[in-house]
Amino acid sequence: GEDVEQSLFLSVREGDSSVINCTYTDSSSTYLYWYKQEPGAGLQLLTYIFSNMDMKQDQRLTVLLNKKDKHLSLRIADTQTGDSAIYFCARLNTGGFKTIFGAGTRLFVKA
Amino acid sequence: DVKVTQSSRYLVKRTGEKVFLECVQDMDHENMFWYRQDPGLGLRLIYFSYDVKMKEKGDIPEGYSVSREKKERFSLILESASTNQTSMYLCASSPGAPEETQYFGPGTRLLVL
Repeated sequence: GEDVEQSLFLSVREGDSSVINCTYTDSSSTYLYWYKQEPGAGLQLLTYIFSNMDMKQDQRLTVLLNKKDKHLSLRIADTQTGDSAIYFCARLNTGGFKTIFGAGTRLFVKA
Repeated sequence: DVKVTQSSRYLVKRTGEKVFLECVQDMDHENMFWYRQDPGLGLRLIYFSYDVKMKEKGDIPEGYSVSREKKERFSLILESASTNQTSMYLCASSPGAPEETQYFGPGTRLLVL
């Protein structure tokens, strides 16, 4: 997934906000996703945003999309130790079917 | 709730063995996918299938084949396993357009000795 880039690691303290960033190269992507992978498990969809939206909020999660800069972020408010996981940014390739994933950001929450 | 199951969580095989990884989904999804996950590389698509008996190569199909004889089942086959195929293998399914949300199985960790 070299055209979806994200940093590999993020460490935050419990109770702080976490912001995980992602950049992508294909501006024609229609859907962008955040998936969460807990240890020993498969990926689970957290949220997604359609490309004509700037922001989507769902409880503690806020997704921001800057289409001009091709930048997607996931903010987790009041981060808990249970949020420790790998977070994957992904985009739906033009024409559908193929989803391109980033390498994943490992979020470590310090108690 | 969508359920995607994979036949094994852990598998140990020897170089040259033929390996079958099975994936089953129970939500009548059109599309099914096989990925491998390696540290620092994220998920890389091996093959996907958009209908029974239909398959398309992903980014890294070499050394793998697939079979989809029934809608709910998608098999990944390593004809002759090699040590560089040691990895975590993830199966996913999706209902199709428009948003193509993928639902993942728990993964199979394969070690090839």
